[in-house]
Amino acid sequence: QKEVEQDPGPLSVPEGAIVSLNCTYSNSAFQYFMWYRQYSRKGPELLMYTYSSGNKEDGRFTAQVDKSSKYISLFIRDSQPSDSATYLCAMNPGGFKTIFGAGTRLFVKA
Amino acid sequence: GAGVSQSPSNKVTEKGKDVELRCDPISGHTALYWYRQSLGQGLEFLIYFQGNSAPDKSGLPSDRFSAERTGGSVSTLTIQRTQQEDSAVYLCASSFLLAGALGEQFFGPGTRLTVL
Repeated sequence: QKEVEQDPGPLSVPEGAIVSLNCTYSNSAFQYFMWYRQYSRKGPELLMYTYSSGNKEDGRFTAQVDKSSKYISLFIRDSQPSDSATYLCAMNPGGFKTIFGAGTRLFVKA
Repeated sequence: GAGVSQSPSNKVTEKGKDVELRCDPISGHTALYWYRQSLGQGLEFLIYFQGNSAPDKSGLPSDRFSAERTGGSVSTLTIQRTQQEDSAVYLCASSFLLAGALGEQFFGPGTRLTVL
């Protein structure tokens, strides 16, 4: 079993839809939770960063962490075609080793 | 300012050949990471440098893989006697080291390696 599980998709939604992306994990030591966005043939870029449990909002993006369920989510409101990318969740217990999910490919249709 | 750069952007090689992949981190970043990304897979951690030292090499897939970092800056990942299963995108990232917090990793565009 992988430490971090993420549905690879693809997920296809119409423009303006609310998108929900999720990851589950098994290591209760994880303290830092991140979402990266990766466009085709580019490196990942940090989108959202959360320490411990709770919610964090940044514009159209909301990250949620539920440590009791070992479950994290990223919500995208009013999705745009420019949001089409692969979204990777990532987790870290506080050291140098970050564990990434497989990534979910998202397509937002105009 | 300049981000993380990697070279070459693409590399096609024959099975059994050696390859060198280069990473130029953001100036001043003390931490440097190498990852491998295969189709449908997440980023697989390979190695981490703190300055010029690599405290943990356990992520390197085999003894055919090695990496070094010089001057606290440029890093080279070397794969000897390449195999077809080495085909992947190799990503480099750098960050500041922050006490008590996690420094944001900035990624380069990657080197796409194809072993024929």
